Amino acid sequence: GNSVTQMEGPVTLSEEAFLTINCTYTATGYPSLFWYVQYPGEGLQLLLKATKADDKGSNKGFEATYRKETTSFHLEKGSVQVSDSAVYFCALRPKGGGFKTIFGAGTRLFVKA
Amino acid sequence: KAGVTQTPRYLIKTRGQQVTLSCSPISGHRSVSWYQQTPGQGLQFLFEYFSETQRNKGNFPGRFSGRQFSNSRSEMNVSTLELGDSALYLCASSWTGPTGGEAFFGQGTRLTVV
Repeated sequence: GNSVTQMEGPVTLSEEAFLTINCTYTATGYPSLFWYVQYPGEGLQLLLKATKADDKGSNKGFEATYRKETTSFHLEKGSVQVSDSAVYFCALRPKGGGFKTIFGAGTRLFVKA
Repeated sequence: KAGVTQTPRYLIKTRGQQVTLSCSPISGHRSVSWYQQTPGQGLQFLFEYFSETQRNKGNFPGRFSGRQFSNSRSEMNVSTLELGDSALYLCASSWTGPTGGEAFFGQGTRLTVV
């Protein structure tokens, strides 16, 4: 079946540090891949997406590349800020059959000033 | 453009009662999905509606049901509430055009069952 595995948190970084949150997936075919972010008390916001192999999604300094050969979609940011503290979810949507999205468990990020 | 609107934001119900949650999607979005978020189970898919028809369903008991109206607004209902139904219920809408696919989420309804 389809599933998403992402690194457990929490991840604690100092401001301006480099961030990587690992995400791997299992799916048949070529799913669309997403990163969502959830701030306290809020719903999920789409951070970036990629719809085919080798696509790079980017937004607000965050990047992730769709790697079919390693079934991965790791999230990176070169210099984190305190305001990036949140929970990050990796997700996939299988091709065809509707808009069901499958989420990873989430990784909580704390950024210290 | 207004985002996804969920009402109410907070609910407290007693075990055994039933509850109805409402979701208004982004204008033009015809797909509406519901998710349950708990600390233990994370984000779990409940069901998806498209053009008033349930298109996908997750692994939840029949106490969880939903519907979609002709204006794409959706409701979900939980009957005979259990303590374990306490969760944040998130609604998401998606545009179903060729470049669509990502889900846009509302702020959620926090349900507490006592």
